[in-house]
Amino acid sequence: GESVGLHLPTLSVQEGDNSIINCAYSNSASDYFIWYKQESGKGPQFIIDIRSNMDKRQGQRVTVLLNKTVKHLSLQIAATQPGDSAVYFCAETPADKLIFGTGTRLQVFP
Amino acid sequence: DAMVIQNPRYQVTQFGKPVTLSCSQTLNHNVMYWYQQKSSQAPKLLFHYYDKDFNNEADTPDNFQSRRPNTSFCFLDIRSPGLGDAAMYLCATSRDYRADTQYFGPGTRLTVL
Repeated sequence: GESVGLHLPTLSVQEGDNSIINCAYSNSASDYFIWYKQESGKGPQFIIDIRSNMDKRQGQRVTVLLNKTVKHLSLQIAATQPGDSAVYFCAETPADKLIFGTGTRLQVFP
Repeated sequence: DAMVIQNPRYQVTQFGKPVTLSCSQTLNHNVMYWYQQKSSQAPKLLFHYYDKDFNNEADTPDNFQSRRPNTSFCFLDIRSPGLGDAAMYLCATSRDYRADTQYFGPGTRLTVL
């Protein structure tokens, strides 16, 4: 559904630990999913994507998992670094547009 | 590098004074989008173009208009900005519609005094 609300969920992790950010998507017809990273004052930056015929995809230090049964998407970041601090949005495409999730703020502390 | 460019990065306008934000792309993508993003919220789609075909979201206020004179450029016009229109405005492009990655520009931060 549409993202609402003024308070983003926050995940705080220690530098070097792994981070897992979760997302529940709304439309079972969605067949393409994207994770974006948005740093303060900047536009969303593409991180990784996955299509509905896959359940896992790996990039550099990032892995996306898709569970279509429960409509759940997760982003795993290995060895989290200070530069990973940002807001992370999942997005789904059930039709000709992106639908963004609420967003999760990732804070990395030393 | 191919990219999505937005100008200006920061725009200050007065209540009721028309303002135009611009977006250009070197990706040669067919689709261009305009989003509005308010603090701590996800981007909200205002409208999009597939080539010259304009598609307006049902809840986009009439105060917002758009133009796409060619493949590379797209403009967002706010005819009479109100205080509630202060936000980050994001332009994005994609090669095609469904199941195609959208690439975002850096955004224009609009302040309304």
